[in-house]
Amino acid sequence: DAGITQSPRHKVTETGTPVTLRCHQTENHRYMYWYRQDPGHGLRLIHYSYGVKDTDKGEVSDGYSVSRSKTEDFLLTLESATSSQTSVYFCATALSGEGTDTQYFGPGTRLTVL
Amino acid sequence: KNEVEQSPQNLTAQEGEFITINCSYSVGISALHWLQQHPGGGIVSLFMLSSGKKKHGRLIATINIQEKHSSLHITASHPRDSAVYICAAANAGGTSYGKLTFGQGTILTVHP
Repeated sequence: DAGITQSPRHKVTETGTPVTLRCHQTENHRYMYWYRQDPGHGLRLIHYSYGVKDTDKGEVSDGYSVSRSKTEDFLLTLESATSSQTSVYFCATALSGEGTDTQYFGPGTRLTVL
Repeated sequence: KNEVEQSPQNLTAQEGEFITINCSYSVGISALHWLQQHPGGGIVSLFMLSSGKKKHGRLIATINIQEKHSSLHITASHPRDSAVYICAAANAGGTSYGKLTFGQGTILTVHP
């Protein structure tokens, strides 16, 4: 399995505060993804990266920003957290970005916004 | 945008039963992935299919490209198979960056 860690694993915060989630990988995979998982919606793509400093929006990107300054780290920032952003966040990586490529998932971060 | 539908949403079985989970998608794909999410939350890839059939142990995955349909079968089910099973479609054509569209998942519970 790819070495993918996420931090923090759990976080409780208040509405309006900024929050940054970190995804760290040791596999030198070029592609990285941030998803949120909510009951009734399944996994949905927030943002993705196809290289250092190369990022783009996914289907649910409003209220989120990302940065990737080095291959191994992909940061997800909630500029001003809202209760609708309470979710479980997963990071994933892939080597080639082809549709046939396996994505490797991190353990997830459970975020609660009060 | 691809729409991915799974059925059933919930499935309860007795140990030893043969299980089938279905996945349908709306537009052409380059690949169909099956994932497993254990109660603790971790998500692992089980299969990637672009055609035909794949088998790994008691798990079998099939895909019918013409009908835009895939199935995941579990033979001789066991309580340790209890998990959420998720299918995900990778769209065909263009530069997709490996983006996937996920089904909502099937919650499988296998009782001893």
